[in-house]
Amino acid sequence: NAGVMQNPRHLVRRRGQEARLRCSPMKGHSHVYWYRQLPEEGLKFMVYLQKENIIDESGMPKERFSAEFPKEGPSILRIQQVVRGDSAAYFCASSPSGARGTDTQYFGPGTRLTVL
Amino acid sequence: GNSVTQMEGPVTLSEEAFLTINCTYTATGYPSLFWYVQYPGEGLQLLLKATKADDKGSNKGFEATYRKETTSFHLEKGSVQVSDSAVYFCALSDLSNFGNEKLTFGTGTRLTIIP
Repeated sequence: NAGVMQNPRHLVRRRGQEARLRCSPMKGHSHVYWYRQLPEEGLKFMVYLQKENIIDESGMPKERFSAEFPKEGPSILRIQQVVRGDSAAYFCASSPSGARGTDTQYFGPGTRLTVL
Repeated sequence: GNSVTQMEGPVTLSEEAFLTINCTYTATGYPSLFWYVQYPGEGLQLLLKATKADDKGSNKGFEATYRKETTSFHLEKGSVQVSDSAVYFCALSDLSNFGNEKLTFGTGTRLTIIP
């Protein structure tokens, strides 16, 4: 049973370019979470999605960041016009449901984004 | 807002030593508390959890007790092994305004066990 898959594992972009990070949840999971870990900090919640719906984006920066989880295919975190401050590790997690205490969030290995 | 403070690393111990990694939290309400572990090149894995005060989570010889009076959830293991070398994250969860569970993490503690 494959775990949560993220790709690419490492991504290098120049300032002003776009970054696309992909997350394939575990089989049977329809809930996806994205977290960001800036250098020397803990993981911070960004966004929570169900299939075709953004449920909670309270942790997403207001500009340049967007996320989707289409009916078919992986969840995508998109960062437009990247800046050096976007350099971080981005983790995706999935769960069968989003409700508290009913299940665990399973994490992928992360994508390490470096902006030159 | 919610926050988690955990022991700064890196921590280096000899095999069979006793391990403690401190974790304290600040939260409104009654969060659940977790320890996650990240082995090299892998994603975070849930190590143990506790959902209410005085609960003790345990797994693979690791233990942590939810202490509401000291707002702590310290991780302990009586005798560590080389295979325990990893990064350990303390975290808490609470329900968002949207009904979903949101995790707040500490910065992680890198543990290295030497034979």
